[in-house]
Amino acid sequence: AAGVIQSPRHLIKEKRETATLKCYPIPRHDTVYWYQQGPGQDPQFLISFYEKMQSDKGSIPDRFSAQQFSDYHSELNMSSLELGDSALYFCASSLRSGGRADTQYFGPGTRLTVL
Amino acid sequence: AQKITQTQPGMFVQEKEAVTLDCTYDTSDPSYGLFWYKQPSSGEMIFLIYQGSYDQQNATEGRYSLNFQKARKSANLVISASQLGDSAMYFCAMREVISWGKLQFGAGTQVVVTP
Repeated sequence: AAGVIQSPRHLIKEKRETATLKCYPIPRHDTVYWYQQGPGQDPQFLISFYEKMQSDKGSIPDRFSAQQFSDYHSELNMSSLELGDSALYFCASSLRSGGRADTQYFGPGTRLTVL
Repeated sequence: AQKITQTQPGMFVQEKEAVTLDCTYDTSDPSYGLFWYKQPSSGEMIFLIYQGSYDQQNATEGRYSLNFQKARKSANLVISASQLGDSAMYFCAMREVISWGKLQFGAGTQVVVTP
């Protein structure tokens, strides 16, 4: 079965640079979520999109922005990178329906290192 | 306030034995879902099992079962017949309807399976 695709898998950036993370959800899934997982921490919700509209926003810095495109893929744009942005960034997708069918399936993650 | 509590930071379990991972949660939303995810050292987040707040039966998925005690607000994961490949971090997560579907995670439990 098709899974969530994220690119790139690894990214190394310098402080103050920008980064763009891409996510391709499972086909026919209508909701995309972004999470940030710092070293030794649990994933923290950043932002979500339902049918290409932003549906919820968590602890996402103003330096970050995201969008979902007409083909349902999503991009997380990160500017003025800081050392503290080094983390594993997950994209997850689901079919918003409630119940078991609304399970979020995660991509493999993008490991961002800011030097 | 922490909505998901996992009190066991780490556990050792012998191969072929069963292990129970504790999870308690806090919500006033009558409709919610509880999830367990496995995160091996490679980093991916793998969905294991789901329990809905209105489900009458405890969920089971192969060697995984969920001991759901709604009145006590607990959703413990039981892994039967542990295998070396079960060594990983395990996260309990909750989705509330009022929170637009985002997952809130516990701190995780690190499980090490020994021969």
